[in-house]
Amino acid sequence: DAGVIQSPRHEVTEMGQEVTLRCKPISGHNSLFWYRQTMMRGLELLIYFNNNVPIDDSGMPEDRFSAKMPNASFSTLKIQPSEPRDSAVYFCASSEDRGYQPQHFGDGTRLSIL
Amino acid sequence: SQKIEQNSEALNIQEGKTATLTCNYTNYSPAYLQWYRQDPGRGPVFLLLIRENEKEKRKERLKVTFDTTLKQSLFHITASQPADSATYLCALEDGGFKTIFGAGTRLFVKA
Repeated sequence: DAGVIQSPRHEVTEMGQEVTLRCKPISGHNSLFWYRQTMMRGLELLIYFNNNVPIDDSGMPEDRFSAKMPNASFSTLKIQPSEPRDSAVYFCASSEDRGYQPQHFGDGTRLSIL
Repeated sequence: SQKIEQNSEALNIQEGKTATLTCNYTNYSPAYLQWYRQDPGRGPVFLLLIRENEKEKRKERLKVTFDTTLKQSLFHITASQPADSATYLCALEDGGFKTIFGAGTRLFVKA
């Protein structure tokens, strides 16, 4: 079975550039989560979608961050303009929409903003 | 909202021993608590879930306990192996859909 697929695996770009991270959840999962992981702050939830609708984006750090889920099999997280403090590993996870379901994570995108 | 505390220091144990990792939370007792394993360069992988009305859950060499009085979960790996070396994350529900994760504890198992 294919797991959660994220692309790119690594991204290095200069400050001020637009960055787009992509995620394909597991087929049949209707909950999707974007996380950011850093040494200082650990794994932080940025935004959660259910049935393609954003439910809670209170973890999105600021207006430079935006996320979309145009259909059940694709989501993007965009940073524009990017800043060095955005450097982190960004994970996408999906789960079934039934109580207490575990989350299945992709292998992340390691983002470096120079 | 909830706060989770996991030992920030790495745990070093000898192969064959039992590893015990601790997860403490600060506020209300969550409806469930989960443990995940994370290897370098990979995403977390789900291991076990325990509900608030369960005291203990087992899966092969893994055992999780949940003490709502102490606000604590313990995660045990018996007969540990070098392949068990990884970071282990505790996660719990924080209102409805939301799951929050602890910072994780790194485990090193020496041969």
